[in-house]
Amino acid sequence: AQKITQTQPGMFVQEKEAVTLDCTYDTSDQSYGLFWYKQPSSGEMIFLIYQGSYDEQNATEGRYSLNFQKARKSANLVISASQLGDSAMYFCAMREFDMGRRALTFGSGTRLQVQP
Amino acid sequence: DTGVSQNPRHKITKRGQNVTFRCDPISEHNRLYWYRQTLGQGPEFLTYFQNEAQLEKSRLLSDRFSAERPKGSFSTLEIQRTEQGDSAMYLCASSLGSGGNTDTQYFGPGTRLTVL
Repeated sequence: AQKITQTQPGMFVQEKEAVTLDCTYDTSDQSYGLFWYKQPSSGEMIFLIYQGSYDEQNATEGRYSLNFQKARKSANLVISASQLGDSAMYFCAMREFDMGRRALTFGSGTRLQVQP
Repeated sequence: DTGVSQNPRHKITKRGQNVTFRCDPISEHNRLYWYRQTLGQGPEFLTYFQNEAQLEKSRLLSDRFSAERPKGSFSTLEIQRTEQGDSAMYLCASSLGSGGNTDTQYFGPGTRLTVL
């Protein structure tokens, strides 16, 4: 079974509008972390936001917020007030903590295109 | 404050040749990671170092692959007898490793390998 599922291969959004990128995950660990990264065409993975499994509040970081629904095992990224520079691939990733693992497991990504 | 750097940025080689990539982590980061990303996919974990010790290796890391971090600073990833299936982007990341679960991984720009 896929550990991280991103069901939207591509998304379009108008500039200045909000957009939600979906991510569901699968783990039997009690303690884990969820990360979102942005990958522009240049190739570098840019860290955006983190949510821990025991965090009670949804994470926010500037225009980025994470809609964390633990019972549904979803961790959707919300980008508010989209900008042209937000056009990129977006990856959801998980690190499972119970066995002290350090590896990130990534989804297949969502390509976001912001239109003027 | 310099980020993670990787050299070379691009490498074209013929099948059967050996190649070596270098990664310089963010200074004072004691954890270093290697990932591989093929076209249209998210990165896949290869291996991770804590200082000079290689602590975790993926099954993807066949015996043709070897990684080192001899002095706990920069790391090299060598692929021997390259095959066309090795064509991918090789990403390096580093993290502070100061304790706590977040330990965000920061990525370099990657080395794109093309095996002809």
